[in-house]
Amino acid sequence: RKEVEQDPGPFNVPEGATVAFNCTYSNSASQSFFWYRQDCRKEPKLLMSVYSSGNEDGRFTAQLNRASQYISLLIRDSKLSDSATYLCVVPAILNAGGTSYGKLTFGQGTILTVHP
Amino acid sequence: EAQVTQNPRYLITVTGKKLTVTCSQNMNHEYMSWYRQDPGLGLRQIYYSMNVEVTDKGDVPEGYKVSRKEKRNFPLILESPSPNQTSLYFCASSWGAPGLAAGGELFFGEGSRLTVL
Repeated sequence: RKEVEQDPGPFNVPEGATVAFNCTYSNSASQSFFWYRQDCRKEPKLLMSVYSSGNEDGRFTAQLNRASQYISLLIRDSKLSDSATYLCVVPAILNAGGTSYGKLTFGQGTILTVHP
Repeated sequence: EAQVTQNPRYLITVTGKKLTVTCSQNMNHEYMSWYRQDPGLGLRQIYYSMNVEVTDKGDVPEGYKVSRKEKRNFPLILESPSPNQTSLYFCASSWGAPGLAAGGELFFGEGSRLTVL
């Protein structure tokens, strides 16, 4: 099993739709998770952090399911500007205390295209 | 303006010709790291540094070297580039270790597209 795995898509949805992506991870000790957004081979930018069960920011909701080892990203009322690649990021855990020493694993990304 | 600056942004070189990609941040961040991005493989971590003089290997360190002599700079060195190092490279920095609640957001440079012939 890959350390971090995402459905690459592409997801093609109309404006206004609700879309959800999943990201599975293999290390059950992982404590923190991130969703980054990357536009057309530009640099990734942080979208959301997830440290407990979930996080919500406007139209975006991230949820964590520790039992099944996945995090999800839900986008409501999709906009054309949401078209991008969404990257799931999981820090490595190198001790039982849950502290990352800087090693990061990225999922390969999920491509979203929102059309009029 | 807070930023991470990489140079060069584009480079075409030949096999075996040593090159350095510079990375500089002006946010006084302790953590810096390098990634390569390839189609179908996503971003893969090459090296990271928790602070000055502290560097560690990521998932794909072979063929690369780094140094962290100053807090703001984290150059990536390809001693003898090969065609399989053709890729899009990103440098990133953050206040602290990405796994910590307070230190997590990574700020990325704009990327350096390297082609090795």
